[in-house]
Amino acid sequence: ETGVTQTPRHLVMGMTNKKSLKCEQHLGHNAMYWYKQSAKKPLELMFVYNFKEQTENNSVPSRFSPECPNSSHLFLHLHTLQPEDSALYLCASSQDVGKNYGYTFGSGTRLTVV
Amino acid sequence: QKEVEQDPGPLSVPEGAIVSLNCTYSNSAFQYFMWYRQYSRKGPELLMYTYSSGNKEDGRFTAQVDKSSKYISLFIRDSQPSDSATYLCAMFSGGYNKLIFGAGTRLAVHP
Repeated sequence: ETGVTQTPRHLVMGMTNKKSLKCEQHLGHNAMYWYKQSAKKPLELMFVYNFKEQTENNSVPSRFSPECPNSSHLFLHLHTLQPEDSALYLCASSQDVGKNYGYTFGSGTRLTVV
Repeated sequence: QKEVEQDPGPLSVPEGAIVSLNCTYSNSAFQYFMWYRQYSRKGPELLMYTYSSGNKEDGRFTAQVDKSSKYISLFIRDSQPSDSATYLCAMFSGGYNKLIFGAGTRLAVHP
């Protein structure tokens, strides 16, 4: 699969579980993003990485922990989540944060917290 | 007041209709305007990208920006059932600023 790949596509987890979401981009981009998409609400920016460095944390609770080992990979580690964290989590990439010609999104991970 | 307002719909139209999707915004610093299309169980994909005011056409799609009114539109001519999706507007002011999204309008084109 080309572009931005996210795994898993679906995830059901209990509030005490620990899980991780993975994102990989094959576009040679240097900026990567995590977004949360809830029904009828605008996309919520969570984290921004530019050249592997975190440049933005949009007041996200500490139960969400991002990791960017290199410009092609981005992870979102989850622990002790709440039911209201159930949503579609989207990863995106762009050339870099200062060159915004549009983002390329993955298909997302549909997360359900029970 | 939200930075970007977009009617969530749903909007239901017959095949062949002209569709008009709109967003209003409050930040006069926005200069770059985009429309994304999101099919069910997929991520958003960039459809149109416009800088400043004016029109941009791409096939059946026309993006229009009116900065004086802080209003942007996406027109779809000869709509097809395959156009059924959620359309999100997005905009930013340039440089290292964030891309701000609308909530999306769900469109259904029925045969």
